[in-house]
Amino acid sequence: NAGVTQTPKFRILKIGQSMTLQCTQDMNHNYMYWYRQDPGMGLKLIYYSVGAGITDKGEVPNGYNVSRSTTEDFPLRLELAAPSQTSVYFCASSYGNEQFFGPGTRLTVL
Amino acid sequence: GESVGLHLPTLSVQEGDNSIINCAYSNSASDYFIWYKQESGKGPQFIIDIRSNMDKRQGQRVTVLLNKTVKHLSLQIAATQPGDSAVYFCAEIPMDSNYQLIWGAGTKLIIKP
Repeated sequence: NAGVTQTPKFRILKIGQSMTLQCTQDMNHNYMYWYRQDPGMGLKLIYYSVGAGITDKGEVPNGYNVSRSTTEDFPLRLELAAPSQTSVYFCASSYGNEQFFGPGTRLTVL
Repeated sequence: GESVGLHLPTLSVQEGDNSIINCAYSNSASDYFIWYKQESGKGPQFIIDIRSNMDKRQGQRVTVLLNKTVKHLSLQIAATQPGDSAVYFCAEIPMDSNYQLIWGAGTKLIIKP
């Protein structure tokens, strides 16, 4: 199993540009999550999903959107990138207590 | 280079010694408490969890202690090795939260040779 995979690994955006961060898991987990991690800080939940077709806001959803059309995929969309969205983004999936994390996407907005 | 951990509390431990990492939590209604390890440039990795009705749980070289009276969680790592160098986060799962984690502040563990 590949676990949780994320693409791209790195990306630089200009202010106002849009992009989609991809996340795929092959463990057949119902629960999936998107986090952001700023330097020296813990993780903050952006959005989560309890199954295909169901998504809900986390702690910091503003400026982001998600969709969950399949169990495997949980893409995160940034519509109008802002410098405040410069961060490392982690996708995770879980069946129960243990969340499995992807390697992260480092995003810089200039 | 990796900037995660620059502003985090740091614990320096001699290789071979035991490490104790502490965490204070806030939500008395949490169902589970969890420790994660995050190595530089990687996503967090689950270490061990403990249910709220337990005081102690042991894993391989790790022990988690839960003191509900003072809302305190600790992670003990026995015979610390260089591979234990990482940032350690505690997290809690509130009841009925769809497994959403509330993350605590991390602690950077540095192993001295």
